Amino acid sequence: NAGVTQTPKFRILKIGQSMTLQCAQDMNHNYMYWYRQDPGMGLKLIYYSVGAGITDKGEVPNGYNVSRSTTEDFPLRLELAAPSQTSVYFCASSFNRPSNSPLHFGNGTRLTVT
Amino acid sequence: AQSVTQPDIHITVSEGASLELRCNYSYGATPYLFWYVQSPGQGLQLLLKYFSGDTLVQGIKGFEAEFKRSQSSFNLRKPSVHWSDAAEYFCAVGGSDYKLSFGAGTTVTVRA
Repeated sequence: NAGVTQTPKFRILKIGQSMTLQCAQDMNHNYMYWYRQDPGMGLKLIYYSVGAGITDKGEVPNGYNVSRSTTEDFPLRLELAAPSQTSVYFCASSFNRPSNSPLHFGNGTRLTVT
Repeated sequence: AQSVTQPDIHITVSEGASLELRCNYSYGATPYLFWYVQSPGQGLQLLLKYFSGDTLVQGIKGFEAEFKRSQSSFNLRKPSVHWSDAAEYFCAVGGSDYKLSFGAGTTVTVRA
């Protein structure tokens, strides 16, 4: 059972480039999330989804887009990369709301924008 | 707005000694509280959670946490630390919606 799989593990982007961070889960979870982790700042929620076709903004959505065409996949898109998007990105999923079921995290994608 | 404060950025503890990590939260209603642990290069893993009932909750790996409403705190404890407990620990607060707010984390170093 793979759990939550994120690709790539590392990426360096130039300012203005675009990329998609991939996230897939095989636990049939309805709820999926994207967080970014910056030193000393904890995790900030970027976007979340409560099911296929349904997404919503979190605390820090600017500069990002998501889609949820299937239950398994929840890609995060950066259209015009900026240095402020240098961070470690975590995808997570849960069976139910976070208050009722734990989040399962991927191992993260470390992104550097120069 | 909900928020979490972890006052200690870094704690060093000797193997076999006790450990306590502090967490203070701000939330307008009865909170759901969590502790997650992150080992180097890994995602976060749930240690324990508090929803209601007994204010002392037990988690995995020998950890426990105590909810104190009067102090808005949810401190994490372990009686005897093992070298494998070296990691970063995050406290989180949420409600009945989909959003968890995480603290900035406390890094624990275990010395032999």
